[in-house]
Amino acid sequence: QKEVEQNSGPLSVPEGAIASLNCTYSDRGSQSFFWYRQYSGKSPELIMSIYSNGDKEDGRFTAQLNKASQYVSLLIRDSQPSDSATYLCAVNDRAAGNKLTFGGGTRVLVKP
Amino acid sequence: DAGVIQSPRHEVTEMGQEVTLRCKPISGHDYLFWYRQTMMRGLELLIYFNNNVPIDDSGMPEDRFSAKMPNASFSTLKIQPSEPRDSAVYFCASTNRWGPNQPQHFGDGTRLSIL
Repeated sequence: QKEVEQNSGPLSVPEGAIASLNCTYSDRGSQSFFWYRQYSGKSPELIMSIYSNGDKEDGRFTAQLNKASQYVSLLIRDSQPSDSATYLCAVNDRAAGNKLTFGGGTRVLVKP
Repeated sequence: DAGVIQSPRHEVTEMGQEVTLRCKPISGHDYLFWYRQTMMRGLELLIYFNNNVPIDDSGMPEDRFSAKMPNASFSTLKIQPSEPRDSAVYFCASTNRWGPNQPQHFGDGTRLSIL
């Protein structure tokens, strides 16, 4: 059973601070990693993808991947109240035909 | 471009009734996924199709659930008979395998309540 683990939170951060979210996965064959943001009552929305070890930056978001440690993280810089949402980590095993396994999500609350 | 389209957005029905959820994937996407999301279990994959063929239905909870994809632009998820524990948000997603590491794109979901 492939597993993706996240701290459920809530992760409370003051406005303007950095929010740091973590995700670990069990399958060493995993090749693609995604972060989805889900606002309450809405569908998951892709915000970041990462495939190689290291950091990938996109605006205020930075994804970090360490395949040796089976660890992927998401940093949100200059957090805004609009960043308050649940963040889902998803891991893709291409050998299983683009099937994604999702973590349980981390709820983030950004306080003004 | 139009995204993944699901209908209905909300469904409230009584226990024992048949429920049919519908999905239109993004044009050109050859993978279609059905998910169920609850507070207790999070986002679970029920079944997925590739080129209209079911590839993995190991997540389908029991025989009351069935899914079909008669053509590249339409899929249904049916529950018969429905039970209160089926109450959840059901999402459909699609992706295109061509090109590396394509993410999945989700529809707005169907919020299902079984009374």
